Amino acid sequence: SAVISQKPSRDICQRGTSLTIQCQVDSQVTMMFWYRQQPGQSLTLIATANQGSEATYESGFVIDKFPISRPNLTFSTLTVSNMSPEDSSIYLCSGGDEKLFFGSGTQLSVL
Amino acid sequence: KQEVTQIPAALSVPEGENLVLNCSFTDSAIYNLQWFRQDPGKGLTSLLLIQSSQREQTSGRLNASLDKSSGRSTLYIAASQPGDSATYLCAPRTLNDYKLSFGAGTTVTVRA
Repeated sequence: SAVISQKPSRDICQRGTSLTIQCQVDSQVTMMFWYRQQPGQSLTLIATANQGSEATYESGFVIDKFPISRPNLTFSTLTVSNMSPEDSSIYLCSGGDEKLFFGSGTQLSVL
Repeated sequence: KQEVTQIPAALSVPEGENLVLNCSFTDSAIYNLQWFRQDPGKGLTSLLLIQSSQREQTSGRLNASLDKSSGRSTLYIAASQPGDSATYLCAPRTLNDYKLSFGAGTTVTVRA
């Protein structure tokens, strides 16, 4: 199994600023994903983080707003750029091979 | 695009009752299916993983079945306890891109 550490666990940010969320896996994994969970809703996939190449974004999500890095097989970052109150959500990192594991999430509030 | 439906949306039972949570999905070309548990404000905990070739998987009081051809999975929780109160999420993983798709979940409350 894999243990995924995500930080920060929560943050309160001002409109127009950016926040970078870090995701560290305790072992090398093939696949890493970033999800968003808006209040009271289920998880929506933002993008697949590809090691050594650009992330693959889902419909409705763009690189300028959610730049993602994945420099190696154990680490990824998601940046939420130029934030607005609509970006207030829980952001979750997932990683694994056959089984996928999740971090504890980052609860973001934008004022 | 994979669509996942979970029924019921919410369930409230007295302690000791058995729970039955249903999940249906539209694309049967899946790699596997995971059931997760989510506590309020927390991340997801993986409960069970069923491979596409399997019919069921068991872990303790939990049993999950899979009927891939009809696009259905069911999670059974035996002898429920108040600590089982959480939202349960079904997530099939599609074969072509290995992405998980999520339903809206079933929120379970077990009353002491």
